[in-house]
Amino acid sequence: AQKITQTQPGMFVQEKEAVTLDCTYDTSDQSYGLFWYKQPSSGEMIFLIYQGSYDEQNATEGRYSLNFQKARKSANLVISASQLGDSAMYFCAMREAETSGSRLTFGEGTQLTVNP
Amino acid sequence: DTEVTQTPKHLVMGMTNKKSLKCEQHMGHRAMYWYKQKAKKPPELMFVYSYEKLSINESVPSRFSPECPNSSLLNLHLHALQPEDSALYLCASSQDGGRARANEQYFGPGTRLTVT
Repeated sequence: AQKITQTQPGMFVQEKEAVTLDCTYDTSDQSYGLFWYKQPSSGEMIFLIYQGSYDEQNATEGRYSLNFQKARKSANLVISASQLGDSAMYFCAMREAETSGSRLTFGEGTQLTVNP
Repeated sequence: DTEVTQTPKHLVMGMTNKKSLKCEQHMGHRAMYWYKQKAKKPPELMFVYSYEKLSINESVPSRFSPECPNSSLLNLHLHALQPEDSALYLCASSQDGGRARANEQYFGPGTRLTVT
C-alpha cells in the first residue's frame, strides 16, 4: 500500500495567488515526521518544511505553511503569493518512528507550474 | 552553511568502466545518504551511513559500492554498470541517523549519470 499519496500529478497557479498541494499518508506509528521538498529542473532537492506528529501548531516557513490534519492523515503544503521561481516538482515525504535511521518515504510528486 | 557538494555534475561511462561519485558536507552532520532518481520519479534510497558506518543497504546490486572515508565525505564506486543504471544520483546528509526531531536531510545537486 502507498504510504504517501500525492494525487495531483500537475498543478497550475497564477503568479501571486496561493496554491495547495495535497499529501495524504498512511502509518500506524504514533511518532512520525512529515517533510516537503522542492526539486527544480536543476535537480537539487530543497528542504522546505517539517511537521512532527506531536506538533500542535501547523508548521510555517515564510511563504510555506503545512496544513496538518492528523485525524485525516493529511499534510498539505500551502504556498502563498506564488512566484515564477516556485515552478518545480514538489515531494511530500514521511519518516516513521519504527523504521531504522532516517529512511524517508516519498510520494510520487506534484509538478507545479506558476503562470505569469 | 547548508551546502552539500557533489562531483562530477555529469558523468558518461561505458559498461566496462570504473568511476566514482563524490559527496562532501561541512555541516557536522553524522548521517549521509545515497539516492537514485529516475526522471519524473521520487528518489529511491540506496545506502545510509550513520557515524561512518553503513546502517542501511537497500539491496543495491554489488556493482554499486559505497564508502565513507570520514564523517564529511561519501563516495559511490561504480563498476560494470548497466544502461538502466542511468539516473540522477543524489547525496544527502542529516544531523544524525536517528529519530531526532526533524533531522531533515539536505541534498546535493546530484550527478547525472549516463551509462552507454
